Amino acid sequence: DTEVTQTPKHLVMGMTNKKSLKCEQHMGHRAMYWYKQKAKKPPELMFVYSYEKLSINESVPSRFSPECPNSSLLNLHLHALQPEDSALYLCASSQGVARANTGELFFGEGSRLTVL
Amino acid sequence: SQELEQSPQSLIVQEGKNLTINCTSSKTLYGLYWYKQKYGEGLIFLMMLQKGGEEKSHEKITAKLDEKKQQSSLHITASQPSHAGIYLCGASLRRGGKLIFGQGTELSVKP
Repeated sequence: DTEVTQTPKHLVMGMTNKKSLKCEQHMGHRAMYWYKQKAKKPPELMFVYSYEKLSINESVPSRFSPECPNSSLLNLHLHALQPEDSALYLCASSQGVARANTGELFFGEGSRLTVL
Repeated sequence: SQELEQSPQSLIVQEGKNLTINCTSSKTLYGLYWYKQKYGEGLIFLMMLQKGGEEKSHEKITAKLDEKKQQSSLHITASQPSHAGIYLCGASLRRGGKLIFGQGTELSVKP
């Protein structure tokens, strides 16, 4: 199994809603990532979890709250988002953070978020 | 300005033609990686280059990292419609640094 699975694929939410994006991998990877990608732009790193602990937060606003319940799961909790937060949110995993620096990231298909 | 510059930003080629995409950094690259992305989907890892002068091939795609490790090229031979998509280069610009991406090159292949 070499997949990173993200749900939902599409999400529409209002600015007052609370929702969550989910990511799952069963490759035994110990590092997991959230990236944000706006249209026609490259992915931008948001968070890195290493061994289920948050190791990098790229100054992401607190309305985005990551959670890593176990080594296979990564969630991104969303609350009080703004329309400019609309984007494709990509989850990725790697064998370890060091391996991420070798670029060997496995990406999910992404969750397309629209904030109204 | 972008730390990784890709050129061209978009490319339309006739099926069967060869093409090259470039990725240039103003700093030494500690590893250069090529990914492909279909619009609105996840990234697919293509190749990783770490040593100056390194060259790797997979099917009809060849990537090179120049000797000074500041530029990489991705060459596709005899392009097919299945090659269409967005090609992104990624790199670490310092040892242990996070992976950053170029702005991407959108490739269209006309049958």
